[in-house]
Amino acid sequence: AQKVTQAQTEISVVEKEDVTLDCVYETRDTTYYLFWYKQPPSGELVFLIRRNSFDEQNEISGRYSWNFQKSTSSFNFTITASQVVDSAVYFCALKNYGQNFVFGPGTRLSVLP
Amino acid sequence: GAGVSQSPSNKVTEKGKDVELRCDPISGHTALYWYRQRLGQGLEFLIYFQGNSAPDKSGLPSDRFSAERTGESVSTLTIQRTQQEDSAVYLCASSSVYEKLFFGSGTQLSVL
Repeated sequence: AQKVTQAQTEISVVEKEDVTLDCVYETRDTTYYLFWYKQPPSGELVFLIRRNSFDEQNEISGRYSWNFQKSTSSFNFTITASQVVDSAVYFCALKNYGQNFVFGPGTRLSVLP
Repeated sequence: GAGVSQSPSNKVTEKGKDVELRCDPISGHTALYWYRQRLGQGLEFLIYFQGNSAPDKSGLPSDRFSAERTGESVSTLTIQRTQQEDSAVYLCASSSVYEKLFFGSGTQLSVL
């Protein structure tokens, strides 16, 4: 069975703080993809990153970075020097071959000025 | 168009009426998904179409819900005898195999 857990329901930080959003997944497959999506207050879901199960290299894109560790089935997302515009709900998702996307419950991030 | 298009953007209906929600995926995308998102909640999977394979209907909450897709084009989600608990945003998304999902803007359904 596939499952995605985002244990943090809500997080509040003050602007310029770093924040890490946790994602833990379960799957029996060896080939799968992991994703992060952002849903700002406007409601539209925005793609952030996709990683495949064979590539454990960490990735950095500007203030965003992702830490993929197969040993702990985790794919955590860190925002450095957070900004008010980062306030959104962030969803982690898993896709196995031939199956649908499974989304986590989301983490609501509030960045306060 | 360049993105996933959903219509209508808003639908207000009376309890007991049927509604049809439409999704135009990105051209060439073989996979199409429907999700439901209640206010302040996460994404609830409804149904998944992949090419000519039988759809994965495991997420449909009741037999009042059904969906169709013609080939790799338009999909329609139908809710019969709507109930107040059906009020939500219904999101459609499409993708190529293993690629990221592209989401539409959703249909806000309000059942009075």
